[in-house]
Amino acid sequence: GAGVSQSPSNKVTEKGKDVELRCDPISGHTALYWYRQSLGQGLEFLIYFQGNSAPDKSGLPSDRFSAERTGGSVSTLTIQRTQQEDSAVYLCASSLAGLTSGRSTQYFGPGTRLTVL
Amino acid sequence: AQKITQTQPGMFVQEKEAVTLDCTYDTSDPSYGLFWYKQPSSGEMIFLIYQGSYDQQNATEGRYSLNFQKARKSANLVISASQLGDSAMYFCAMRLTGNQFYFGTGTSLTVIP
Repeated sequence: GAGVSQSPSNKVTEKGKDVELRCDPISGHTALYWYRQSLGQGLEFLIYFQGNSAPDKSGLPSDRFSAERTGGSVSTLTIQRTQQEDSAVYLCASSLAGLTSGRSTQYFGPGTRLTVL
Repeated sequence: AQKITQTQPGMFVQEKEAVTLDCTYDTSDPSYGLFWYKQPSSGEMIFLIYQGSYDQQNATEGRYSLNFQKARKSANLVISASQLGDSAMYFCAMRLTGNQFYFGTGTSLTVIP
């Protein structure tokens, strides 16, 4: 399909382990976002990538969280030494670049549900 | 500082009636975009409607319309002729010049048969 894909769809891990979450954006979308959504809550911005510019990491909650985007396409969100409070759904979204894209919205992936035991 | 405010954590509406979901925003940027998304219990985020800050007319998409009051910095979503399938969480979001998105905390809408 042509939508945003994320893998895995579900991840259960033990406290202290590292996890990697993957996002494949829509082809041609240069902006990519990561959000976290805890149960029954709104979206918490984590990080966003815009083309080759330095990413906006202002939303990362701690230095255990990092993300990279290789070749301007696929992105990986890494959480080191996971804690129980990291349990949430991690959503990835992509969009066309720039406000001149007008109504270009974000297209969301289905999310990765992370459970830290 | 909260950039998007949704003051209604939960709303109920009778089937076939109209409902308004409130959203206010805060920015000093002259150029911005406002969005509404629907999130059913399945968890997917579905784009509903967009309003640009320079748009002269209120946006409409089928049964969805956006009541844009720029001076009041409000962008309320109006759903006409509510259907049972409209029951979901609804999020208001704002996009600024730097391509950053800010989301509200959401409103849970329940349509009553």
